[in-house]
Amino acid sequence: EPEVTQTPSHQVTQMGQEVILRCVPISNHLYFYWYRQILGQKVEFLVSFYNNEISEKSEIFDDQFSVERPDGSNFTLKIRSTKLEDSAMYFCANPRGRSNTEAFFGQGTRLTVV
Amino acid sequence: RKEVEQDPGPFNVPEGATVAFNCTYSNSASQSFFWYRQDCRKEPKLLMSVYSSGNEDGRFTAQLNRASQYISLLIRDSKLSDSATYLCVVNERYSTLTFGKGTMLLVSP
Repeated sequence: EPEVTQTPSHQVTQMGQEVILRCVPISNHLYFYWYRQILGQKVEFLVSFYNNEISEKSEIFDDQFSVERPDGSNFTLKIRSTKLEDSAMYFCANPRGRSNTEAFFGQGTRLTVV
Repeated sequence: RKEVEQDPGPFNVPEGATVAFNCTYSNSASQSFFWYRQDCRKEPKLLMSVYSSGNEDGRFTAQLNRASQYISLLIRDSKLSDSATYLCVVNERYSTLTFGKGTMLLVSP
C-alpha cells in the first residue's frame, strides 16, 4: 500500500521557537491535507493544499502557520512561534478512493512545546 | 458549525461479543461518511466507507440514515485486536473531513 511519510516522528521545542514538520505524500498526488489532534481531543482540519496552492484553511490555521512545497515531492508545515497549546499530533494526508473523499494519513509527528 | 457527535465510551466487551456504535452529524449537506479506526497515539486508518444502502465488510456492518443524520457501526464476534478508538467522519463533496471525538472499545479475554 502506498505510504505517506512524516518526519520527525517526535519533536520537542521551546515555546517561541519555529518548527518545521515534513511530509512526503503519495507520489503524483496534487491534493494534500494537514490535520492536528491535541491529546484526548478530536482530529481537526488545518489546511488543504491543491496544485501548489492553499485551497482551504480552518480558523486554527492563523498567521503563525504556513505550508509550503519546497521541492516537487515534499510538503512542510511551519509554525513560526510555537505556543504551549500547539502541542499535538500533526498528521498529513492524501485523499483517495471514490471521489477522493477518503483520506490516507501519515503516521504523524508528535510536537511537544515546553 | 459542522459537528459530529459520538458516545466516548469506553465500551468494555468480552471477546466474541457484538457491539454497536452510533454517531450523529449536524451538517445535512454532508455527502460522504466513514468509520476510521485509531490506535493509541497512531494515525487514523480507514475502516470502511458508509453507503446509503448500508454495507458490510466481514464482521463489520455500517448503516446510514440520512433522514435522522445518524450513522452506525456494528462489530460482530469482537476480537482482542478490535480494541481501539472508532472515529465517525463525514464530509461535504470536495471538502475536508470532520471528525467525531471517537468511541473507545476495549475487548477483554
